[in-house]
Amino acid sequence: SQQGEEDPQALSIQEGENATMNCSYKTSINNLQWYRQNSGRGLVHLILIRSNEREKHSGRLRVTLDTSKKSSSLLITASRAADTASYFCATPPPGGTSYGKLTFGQGTILTVHP
Amino acid sequence: DSGVTQTPKHLITATGQRVTLRCSPRSGDLSVYWYQQSLDQGLQFLIQYYNGEERAKGNILERFSAQQFPDLHSELNLSSLELGDSALYFCASSVGTGGLIGNSPLHFGNGTRLTVT
Repeated sequence: SQQGEEDPQALSIQEGENATMNCSYKTSINNLQWYRQNSGRGLVHLILIRSNEREKHSGRLRVTLDTSKKSSSLLITASRAADTASYFCATPPPGGTSYGKLTFGQGTILTVHP
Repeated sequence: DSGVTQTPKHLITATGQRVTLRCSPRSGDLSVYWYQQSLDQGLQFLIQYYNGEERAKGNILERFSAQQFPDLHSELNLSSLELGDSALYFCASSVGTGGLIGNSPLHFGNGTRLTVT
C-alpha cells in the first residue's frame, strides 16, 4: 500500500497560474520529499522538508508540512510549460530507522498549457 | 544529468528469459536502490545496497536478485520473466550511509524500459 497519496491525480492549468498539489501520508515521518518526473525519464529530487519544519521554499516551489494532519502541499508559482510533469511525494518508513525503502505516492500529473 | 547511468535503455525479451540491468551510481554515492515503476503498482521499492552489502528489501520477487560490486556499480537480475514484469526499472543512488536515508535525496537514472512479450 502507498504511504503517500497525492491529490489531485491530474491538474491542468495555463502558464502563469499557480499549481497546488497535496500529499497525505499515514504514519509518522522524519521528513517528506517531493520529486518530479518528466515523461519516460527518471525522477528528479525537488525539495526535502523535515518533520520539524512547517514551510520551505526553493525558487518557485513552496512546500508546507502539517504533521498533525499528516499532509503536505507543493505549490508551484507562475507555472511554465516546462513544469509539465508528474509530481510525487515520498516518505521514509515510520520510526526513522530506515535502511532504504522510500515510499512514493501515485503522483499528480501536471499539465501546463502555453 | 543526475550522474546515475543505467543500461540498457530499452530491453525487449520473451517470457521465461533472464535479463540483467546495470547501474552506475553517482560518483561518491555508496547506496544504490532499485525501483520498479508500472502503471498499476506505481513506484515500488525493490532493494537497496550500501557499499556492497544488502541493506533493505522491499517488494522484490524471488525471481529477481541484485548485487553491488566493489566498484559500486550494481546489477539487477530478472529471471523466468513474465508478462507482468514489463515495467520501467529505475536505479537511484544517494550519499546516505543507509541509516536515516530519508535525509539523503535520491538521484535517479533514466531507467531501463523492460518489455516482456
